[in-house]
Amino acid sequence: GQQVMQIPQYQHVQEGEDFTTYCNSSTTLSNIQWYKQRPGGHPVFLIQLVKSGEVKKQKRLTFQFGEAKKNSSLHITATQTTDVGTYFCASDSWGKLQFGAGTQVVVTP
Amino acid sequence: GAVVSQHPSRVICKSGTSVKIECRSLDFQATTMFWYRQFPKQSLMLMATSNEGSKATYEQGVEKDKFLINHASLTLSTLTVTSAHPEDSSFYICSANGWTDYEQYFGPGTRLTVT
Repeated sequence: GQQVMQIPQYQHVQEGEDFTTYCNSSTTLSNIQWYKQRPGGHPVFLIQLVKSGEVKKQKRLTFQFGEAKKNSSLHITATQTTDVGTYFCASDSWGKLQFGAGTQVVVTP
Repeated sequence: GAVVSQHPSRVICKSGTSVKIECRSLDFQATTMFWYRQFPKQSLMLMATSNEGSKATYEQGVEKDKFLINHASLTLSTLTVTSAHPEDSSFYICSANGWTDYEQYFGPGTRLTVT
């Protein structure tokens, strides 16, 4: 499968600040998906990016897919305590997901 | 969105016994389901693809005789951990494609502890 590397592994954020998590692959990806997993919970689908250079926004979340389709990023503005959790990127190959290591986000009030 | 359930949510078993985990799609039919394993503070690792009416396909390194998968109907897949050992203790999660052909819906997971 197409492996994806994700950084940083941990992110401590002050409430109200912005942060970005990055996902990189050595090979061209057909698409990239992002999931959020709350502590003790299961992954929840956030978005899928397919097109080169694609940018999608969901309220305070901005997702980007690189021009070469080898990297992706998730940027969250004005972090809130509800943003706590682990954010995973995943490459999709015929429905089989290869997850990145995830970025665990801790928000301090 | 589509709903996937898992049962049980938590199970503790003794070493050497077998445990069955059920994954159900509640409001849609799933010809394909996926089983993942997640160790604490780690990512999800795909174990196998469960296909309705045919044999499951396993990822490299996953023992098919130890992790038995049965996809008996379009709404039910089961994972049986046979002869469980403490190292099998993990969080097991299933998923299925819902209404779209790419969005995966995950079950709530089953936390297995082998003593």
